[in-house]
Amino acid sequence: GQQVMQIPQYQHVQEGEDFTTYCNSSTTLSNIQWYKQRPGGHPVFLIQLVKSGEVKKQKRLTFQFGEAKKNSSLHITATQTTDVGTYFCAGVRGVSGTYKYIFGTGTRLKVLA
Amino acid sequence: SQTIHQWPATLVQPVGSPLSLECTVEGTSNPNLYWYRQAAGRGLQLLFYSVGIGQISSEVPQNLSASRPQDRQFILSSKKLLLSDSGFYLCACFRQGGGTNYGYTFGSGTRLTVV
Repeated sequence: GQQVMQIPQYQHVQEGEDFTTYCNSSTTLSNIQWYKQRPGGHPVFLIQLVKSGEVKKQKRLTFQFGEAKKNSSLHITATQTTDVGTYFCAGVRGVSGTYKYIFGTGTRLKVLA
Repeated sequence: SQTIHQWPATLVQPVGSPLSLECTVEGTSNPNLYWYRQAAGRGLQLLFYSVGIGQISSEVPQNLSASRPQDRQFILSSKKLLLSDSGFYLCACFRQGGGTNYGYTFGSGTRLTVV
């Protein structure tokens, strides 16, 4: 079945350092979404990427969808303590109307002040 | 915008006891609804999804069942809980409009500990 892996599993950075998490799917994706889950909280939708090679930015966050639509990355510039949490990618293969997204394994980010 | 109400927030249940978690949605009609489970420090596993009243699809064989008695109500149940049923249960609704996909809106979740 379809699998979505993320690396690294954990990342500790000093405040002000950059951070990147990578998402890899075993199959080509129709689109990919990114979510952030704060400690003790629930996942919150950040963004969706649809086009091959697409790059989107949200302030210090940069999201990229691979040319083959099988991988994606999230890069945070100059991390802040508010960036702490687990970042998940979620991909879907087809447009079936069920919107069954397969979530990645997540990358837990800790920012040291 | 959509709001998902999920309760209770935490639950401690003995092995073999029944379970009923309820999720209700506001701000939309005929939503796609989902139950996810997250084991401690792990990713999200899709358990069930529903595209309409009485329509339930199960993603993994397990000790749980789901029902959708009303358009905006989604219930997760078990007749006899197992230790392995412990986890963080999240109800979600898929949001889209005007041709734009806004992703899942999650409820605040229920932390279930089976003892």
